[in-house]
Amino acid sequence: DVKVTQSSRYLVKRTGEKVFLECVQDMDHENMFWYRQDPGLGLRLIYFSYDVKMKEKGDIPEGYSVSREKKERFSLILESASTNQTSMYLCASSLYPDDREHGYTFGSGTRLTVV
Amino acid sequence: EDQVTQSPEALRLQEGESSSLNCSYTVSGLRGLFWYRQDPGKGPEFLFTLYSAGEEKEKERLKATLTKKESFLHITAPKPEDSATYLCAGETSGSRLTFGEGTQLTVNP
Repeated sequence: DVKVTQSSRYLVKRTGEKVFLECVQDMDHENMFWYRQDPGLGLRLIYFSYDVKMKEKGDIPEGYSVSREKKERFSLILESASTNQTSMYLCASSLYPDDREHGYTFGSGTRLTVV
Repeated sequence: EDQVTQSPEALRLQEGESSSLNCSYTVSGLRGLFWYRQDPGKGPEFLFTLYSAGEEKEKERLKATLTKKESFLHITAPKPEDSATYLCAGETSGSRLTFGEGTQLTVNP
């Protein structure tokens, strides 16, 4: 089974800190995604990447950046954390468009609290 | 603007009481409609992909159907272990998924 591993389950950071959220997948997937999930708002796409060193903005990229130096690793960076970035962050990977039958594979999430 | 809307927000059933969850979508150039299950504190887990109106897929007590504007997730004789949040998502061009807010299902024994 494909596994998507997010480095931290829980993080508490201070306002203004630079925060790195790491995601690693072990199945050679081309595509990787970062979502945030908030009550009443559902999952919203922050950034995605179709290949190494490629990145595309999602629906809510403001305040975030990403890095994909290796195929298996996709990092989300909060340049200067703010309290409104307190959320559950979910990383996903997929073989799209070649394999819709297995959907996206999600990690377990990182619950980030910014104080 | 692509939009996916799920109803109801929350549903409470007794064990064995069948019901359906609704997912309405307005997604231009829909390439696939996806259903996921999410347990508390975990990431969503893939259930089904539907591609065209009239298509149906089944997995244990779950059956997903698709029309031109909606998808339904039918739960037959649910058990407490079916309690979870069920998410649907529409895929648009660029292989991006737009998610609904989910339906939180509780099945009481």
